Amino acid sequence: SQQGEEDPQALSIQEGENATMNCSYKTSINNLQWYRQNSGRGLVHLILIRSNEREKHSGRLRVTLDTSKKSSSLLITASRAADTASYFCATDPTISNTGKLIFGQGTTLQVKP
Amino acid sequence: NAGVMQNPRHLVRRRGQEARLRCSPMKGHSHVYWYRQLPEEGLKFMVYLQKENIIDESGMPKERFSAEFPKEGPSILRIQQVVRGDSAAYFCASSPKRGGSYNEQFFGPGTRLTVL
Repeated sequence: SQQGEEDPQALSIQEGENATMNCSYKTSINNLQWYRQNSGRGLVHLILIRSNEREKHSGRLRVTLDTSKKSSSLLITASRAADTASYFCATDPTISNTGKLIFGQGTTLQVKP
Repeated sequence: NAGVMQNPRHLVRRRGQEARLRCSPMKGHSHVYWYRQLPEEGLKFMVYLQKENIIDESGMPKERFSAEFPKEGPSILRIQQVVRGDSAAYFCASSPKRGGSYNEQFFGPGTRLTVL
C-alpha cells in the first residue's frame, strides 16, 4: 500500500491563484519532503519538514505537517505559469532507519497564464 | 559545487542486452540511493549504498539487477538481460547523512532507459 498519497491527482488554476496539494501517509516518520518535477526532468527539492515541526515557509511555498492526522499540505501562493509541474511528497519512515524515501503518486499542477 | 550527476541521460537497449547506469554523488556525500520511476507513477526506492557497502536493497528485483558504490568512482546500477518492463527513468540521489530528521536527498537528472 502507498505510504504517501497525494490529493488531488491533478489541479488546474489560473496564474495568480493559490494552489494547495495534500499528502497523507500511514506510518510514523522522521521527516516529510516535497519535490517538484518538470515534465521529463529530474526532481527538485523544495522543502523538508521534520516530524517535530508544524509549519515551514520558503518564498511562495508554505508546508504544514499534522502528525496526528498523518498528513501534510503544500501551498503555493500567487502561482506562476512556471510552477506548472508534478509535485511529490516523500516520507522518511522511522521504521526503516536507512533514510530511503517513500514517494506518493504526485499531483500534476497546471497554471494557466 | 556540482550537483548529482548521472550518465547517460538517455539509454536505448534491445531486449537481452545489459544496461549500466552511473551516478556521481555530490561532493562530500557518501550515501547514495537509487529510485525507479515508471511512466505516470511516483518514484520507487530500489537500493541504498554507502561506499563499498550495500545497506538496503529491499526494493531491488531479485534477479538481473545489481548495484555497487566502489571506493573510487561512481555508483553503478546494472541491469542484465533487459526486458521491456525495465523501461523507466532511473534516478540517483545522494545525501551527506544516513536517515534521520536531516536526511535531505539531492537528486540527479535521471537516466531514461528505453528497451526495444
